[in-house]
Amino acid sequence: AQSVTQLGSHVSVSEGALVLLRCNYSSSVPPYLFWYVQYPNQGLQLLLKYTSAATLVKGINGFEAEFKKSETSFHLTKPSAHMSDAAEYFCAVNLRGGGADGLTFGKGTHLIIQP
Amino acid sequence: DTGVSQDPRHKITKRGQNVTFRCDPISEHNRLYWYRQTLGQGPEFLTYFQNEAQLEKSRLLSDRFSAERPKGSFSTLEIQRTEQGDSAMYLCASSSGTGKTFGSGTRLTVV
Repeated sequence: AQSVTQLGSHVSVSEGALVLLRCNYSSSVPPYLFWYVQYPNQGLQLLLKYTSAATLVKGINGFEAEFKKSETSFHLTKPSAHMSDAAEYFCAVNLRGGGADGLTFGKGTHLIIQP
Repeated sequence: DTGVSQDPRHKITKRGQNVTFRCDPISEHNRLYWYRQTLGQGPEFLTYFQNEAQLEKSRLLSDRFSAERPKGSFSTLEIQRTEQGDSAMYLCASSSGTGKTFGSGTRLTVV
């Protein structure tokens, strides 16, 4: 069964500092991996996705993530945090092979940006 | 681009009542998904449709939950005999590929 673990329910960084949000997955099939961002009282917005092409994936708003099969990880990074990055971030993996099926989400990481 | 639209945004209902939520996906998307999100948790997958066919419903939380997509366009999620534990955000998403576009959700409060 597929699962996702996000390390750290809350991460606090200073404005301008590196953002690193950790995600480890478990999958019995080749994984498709996703990062979503959620602002208060809103739905989820796709930041980026890995679908078995390039292992370094670039997304919107300056975020990127690297798929590391040996470490079963898909950590999200951004070189310089901005106040507008404060939100809830979710890592997700496809339930079964391919991308058509539903996703299993992690519990989320709340990103706090300190001025 | 109108995005994924969900109606209503908020619903307060008394325990034991039935409720129905509507989702209008992006028009060219043939797949539609329903998720439930409780406070402090990630979304939990419930069911999905490809066109009008419901391809996965084993993850619906109980037989009180049902979903339809009769013409392959909009979808409805119904919860019968609501319980306080059903209070949550219900999210709809649609896709035509691997990335899923989410709506803003319907927040259900059962009192």
